[in-house]
Amino acid sequence: QITLKESGPTLVKPTETLTLTCTFSGFSLSTSGVAVGWIRQPPGKALEWLALIYGDDDKRYSPSLKNRVTITKDSSKNQVVLRMTNMDPVDTATYYCAHEDNDVLTGYRSIDYWGQGTLVTVSS
Amino acid sequence: QSVLTQPPSVSGAPGQRVTISCTGSSSNIGAGYDVHWYQQLPGTAPKLLIFGNSNRPSGVPDRFSGSKSGTSASLAISGLQAEDEAAYYCQSYDTSLRGLWVFGGGTKLTVL
Repeated sequence: QITLKESGPTLVKPTETLTLTCTFSGFSLSTSGVAVGWIRQPPGKALEWLALIYGDDDKRYSPSLKNRVTITKDSSKNQVVLRMTNMDPVDTATYYCAHEDNDVLTGYRSIDYWGQGTLVTVSS
Repeated sequence: QSVLTQPPSVSGAPGQRVTISCTGSSSNIGAGYDVHWYQQLPGTAPKLLIFGNSNRPSGVPDRFSGSKSGTSASLAISGLQAEDEAAYYCQSYDTSLRGLWVFGGGTKLTVL
């Protein structure tokens, strides 16, 4: 059974750096093809992809946030960490981590498991 | 502005059939990348509803179906039920500067 859970501060001040941790179970991020990504959703708005890390440590970033976001993993702790610098009130959102892998039967790759999300408010 | 375009809202009466479109471009859906659909009930995380354009995960009723053609995809929900009222998002992949995982802007389904 795959589960993911986000943790971190619920309130950060403008210009501060946000650090969020995704702790997962039920899979290994050392396995080829597995990936964990971060997605955010401002209140009442759409989903926005932020970053992605694969089991081989390949990393991908949203071009619009590439200069502010860093994703890392600690496979021994089953954790993925997202750092976002220079936080602004427009970064107020629910932040989700999610698991991506190939379906065993069909081979199709999709985001098949999501964490419950954590609401981060940016305010002074 | 989301990379994939969805109608902001759709509605239908119980028992009816509704469709939600997802329009992309030649750098995402049109490039042959698969489309997935997620259902987000109020106050909850998104849940995978359709993967690989038309496949349902275990436990998803066959009232939900997906299709893809050219630069667009569609989600159809037949036999609408009150519990289907939710936001629906399409997702694909894009190799342009606009990003890797790309999402639609979401469609709010209201069951009348």
